[in-house]
Amino acid sequence: NAGVTQTPKFQVLKTGQSMTLQCAQDMNHNSMYWYRQDPGMGLRLIYYSASEGTTDKGEVPNGYNVSRLNKREFSLRLESAAPSQTSVYFCASSRLDPSLLGYTFGSGTRLTVV
Amino acid sequence: GESVGLHLPTLSVQEGDNSIINCAYSNSASDYFIWYKQESGKGPQFIIDIRSNMDKRQGQRVTVLLNKTVKHLSLQIAATQPGDSAVYFCAENSNTGNQFYFGTGTSLTVIP
Repeated sequence: NAGVTQTPKFQVLKTGQSMTLQCAQDMNHNSMYWYRQDPGMGLRLIYYSASEGTTDKGEVPNGYNVSRLNKREFSLRLESAAPSQTSVYFCASSRLDPSLLGYTFGSGTRLTVV
Repeated sequence: GESVGLHLPTLSVQEGDNSIINCAYSNSASDYFIWYKQESGKGPQFIIDIRSNMDKRQGQRVTVLLNKTVKHLSLQIAATQPGDSAVYFCAENSNTGNQFYFGTGTSLTVIP
């Protein structure tokens, strides 16, 4: 089925380790997003890419980097993981104008940093 | 930044009853709103949307009402079913950017 695919689904890291969360969409969407979801905080935007070749910071970008590899793929990297980055991470995509049915979300990556 | 809040963090309803989930927003410039449903262990899923030039929009068993005067959004679910148990988020978007701002969510539990 068409949609947004995230890998891995679960990950445990030690403080200071690095990792990359992968995201791919097959809906020919222009825009892609990374959110984190914490209890009682709702979804908070980390970074987004309005179109291939561009990336911009969201509300909580510190400690993260992103790469828009091509139109389909948008990765999120944690260079030196911290316990405060324990969260569920969601990738999403949308048409260039998100006021056309909003976002399509992936199923999430549950990350624990110990 | 934007402020999207929900009046009740949890809601329990009997199967077959109607459910109403409320949301307040603070940005009067927001012109597009979406309700998302998030089941346990899954990503949010689009339910229904509404633009600021409308007051009401109906889907299959769901209705969204928008009151721009008091900046209030509601989601009504008719004949609630056990499969409706989930967390529901409202999200708002303004024409100044392509970001959505999400509320913290309301957890709906349907009692069989």
